[in-house]
Amino acid sequence: EDQVTQSPEALRLQEGESSSLNCSYTVSGLRGLFWYRQDPGKGPEFLFTLYSAGEEKEKERLKATLTKKESFLHITAPKPEDSATYLCAVQAANNFNKFYFGSGTKLNVKP
Amino acid sequence: SQTIHQWPATLVQPVGSPLSLECTVEGTSNPNLYWYRQAAGRGLQLLFYSVGIGQISSEVPQNLSASRPQDRQFILSSKKLLLSDSGFYLCAWSPRDILQPQHFGDGTRLSIL
Repeated sequence: EDQVTQSPEALRLQEGESSSLNCSYTVSGLRGLFWYRQDPGKGPEFLFTLYSAGEEKEKERLKATLTKKESFLHITAPKPEDSATYLCAVQAANNFNKFYFGSGTKLNVKP
Repeated sequence: SQTIHQWPATLVQPVGSPLSLECTVEGTSNPNLYWYRQAAGRGLQLLFYSVGIGQISSEVPQNLSASRPQDRQFILSSKKLLLSDSGFYLCAWSPRDILQPQHFGDGTRLSIL
């Protein structure tokens, strides 16, 4: 069964304290893995797409990496405005039309 | 550029009343369209998706239904709402049959009294 698991559920960091969020997946042939940011009361906002193991993408303080079993979202020197819920989703080879989402990691960065 | 509109932003309905939420996409043709529900502090539960006009796939059996009367319009409905239907409803679109991410609307907060 295709599934996505994110950890930790919640993460509290001090401003400037770097850390990583994990997304592990079980899917029948990964076509793509996607990271989103979701602010309270808003829809998820797309951040990155990763297609194959070893790939990395960066945007400001965020860096996403992908292995054959999991993806990490590294946050370097976070700021309070990075506080949000981060979601990952996978798209399987046998069905381009469905996306499987994890339950997210709620990040709180304190000043 | 593509945009997705979802309304209303908030809705308070009594138990047993009907529901209609609408989503439209601009700036693209033949999109895949999706309805998700998100419980507080939880992930996204896929409710329905559509790959074309009149084509609806249901992921979770419940008292909700979806329709796609036009290429870029997706409607979520219910004849009689239950308390358990409360939640945050999100509409999303993605290009059909290629590897591209989904893009989401701003959601509808539905409260059932």
